[in-house]
Amino acid sequence: EAGVVQSPRYKIIEKKQPVAFWCNPISGHNTLYWYLQNLGQGPELLIRYENEEAVDDSQLPKDRFSAERLKGVDSTLKIQPAELGDSAVYLCASSLGGDNNEQFFGPGTRLTVL
Amino acid sequence: LAKTTQPISMDSYEGQEVNITCSHNNIATNDYITWYQQFPSQGPRFIIQGYKTKVTNEVASLFIPADRKSSTLSLPRVSLSDTAVYYCLVVRNSGNTPLVFGKGTRLSVIA
Repeated sequence: EAGVVQSPRYKIIEKKQPVAFWCNPISGHNTLYWYLQNLGQGPELLIRYENEEAVDDSQLPKDRFSAERLKGVDSTLKIQPAELGDSAVYLCASSLGGDNNEQFFGPGTRLTVL
Repeated sequence: LAKTTQPISMDSYEGQEVNITCSHNNIATNDYITWYQQFPSQGPRFIIQGYKTKVTNEVASLFIPADRKSSTLSLPRVSLSDTAVYYCLVVRNSGNTPLVFGKGTRLSVIA
């Protein structure tokens, strides 16, 4: 069974440019999460989806970050415009939901903003 | 959710048993203790979860005393491939709750 797929794995952009990350969760997983991980730190939640609904986006910097999960499957996280401080790894995770809270993470997208 | 405290780093030789202790003094009645493992350039991976006493799987054991204010992840006979960051988390038993990660414990296994 395929795990959580993310692309691209690496992205280098100049500041003020837009960037987008894509995530395909494990089939059948209704809950999808986007996390940000800075070097030497644990992941921090940006947004959580239940199917296509964003149920927790309190930590998402909405002035420059946006996300969507239109059909309740794949998701895209966008930054526009990117800033130097956005350089980090962006992780996507999914879970079955209900009483099963085990989350399965993708390999992440490493973003470097120059 | 209860804050967790664990050592920043640990070193071990191959073949030894490694015990990583985590404190979570303010754990609530409906909270579980969960451990994740993260290798470089990969996302975290679930290792084990428990509520009280002892839980064992093919990867590790988790020991939780009666007061549940701390827990110990035990890795038997570590190998070089166990070098990773290990995160202790307190998870609310209500499903779909976001994981709150600390800095984790960086375990280095030496030949």
